[in-house]
Amino acid sequence: DQQVKQNSPSLSVQEGRISILNCDYTNSMFDYFLWYKKYPAEGPTFLISISSIKDKNEDGRFTVFLNKSAKHLSLHIVPSQPGDSAVYFCAASDTGTASKLTFGTGTRLQVTL
Amino acid sequence: DTGVSQDPRHKITKRGQNVTFRCDPISEHNRLYWYRQTLGQGPEFLTYFQNEAQLEKSRLLSDRFSAERPKGSFSTLEIQRTEQGDSAMYLCASSSSRTSGGQLYEQYFGPGTRLTVT
Repeated sequence: DQQVKQNSPSLSVQEGRISILNCDYTNSMFDYFLWYKKYPAEGPTFLISISSIKDKNEDGRFTVFLNKSAKHLSLHIVPSQPGDSAVYFCAASDTGTASKLTFGTGTRLQVTL
Repeated sequence: DTGVSQDPRHKITKRGQNVTFRCDPISEHNRLYWYRQTLGQGPEFLTYFQNEAQLEKSRLLSDRFSAERPKGSFSTLEIQRTEQGDSAMYLCASSSSRTSGGQLYEQYFGPGTRLTVT
């Protein structure tokens, strides 16, 4: 069963506009959430994370929002830039155990000029 | 900090052969993870070490797979009698179990080893 879901396989956004990537999870034991960015033939690069004790975390152009009651998180990128074009993975962890990450299937973001 | 490195980056092997991959984590990280990623999927957890102890193994890790981290530094992942279904990107990640500015749980990934079994 897919415990972390990214239901949009792809997203196209114009340069300068906001990109919103969504993620849903089912395991209520997850208490730490991360977003990774991946270019082809490279490993995932850590972007931003959020603990379940918060509902928002910002880092520059990237903001992650967490809605625990809905088991939903989103990544906002403002403004979007062509270099942001990549596959974005949502990941979740139950920090009470081994902190292994459970990943979604990814959303391919394309930022157009 | 030179990041996580993996060797080789690409490996092509014939079915039935054994292969071994190496991962060198970030030097101050005591946790090391192996993941596998196939096309269209996110990385899937395989196994995890804290220092030299292997603390968890996924059910994805069949008996043909073995991982070691003998001195708590680099790690190797060996696949014996490779099958075509083993073709995937094998990713290594490391993290610290010691709290540092809220970065306790972030895992930092290497570039991966792409395995193709023919």
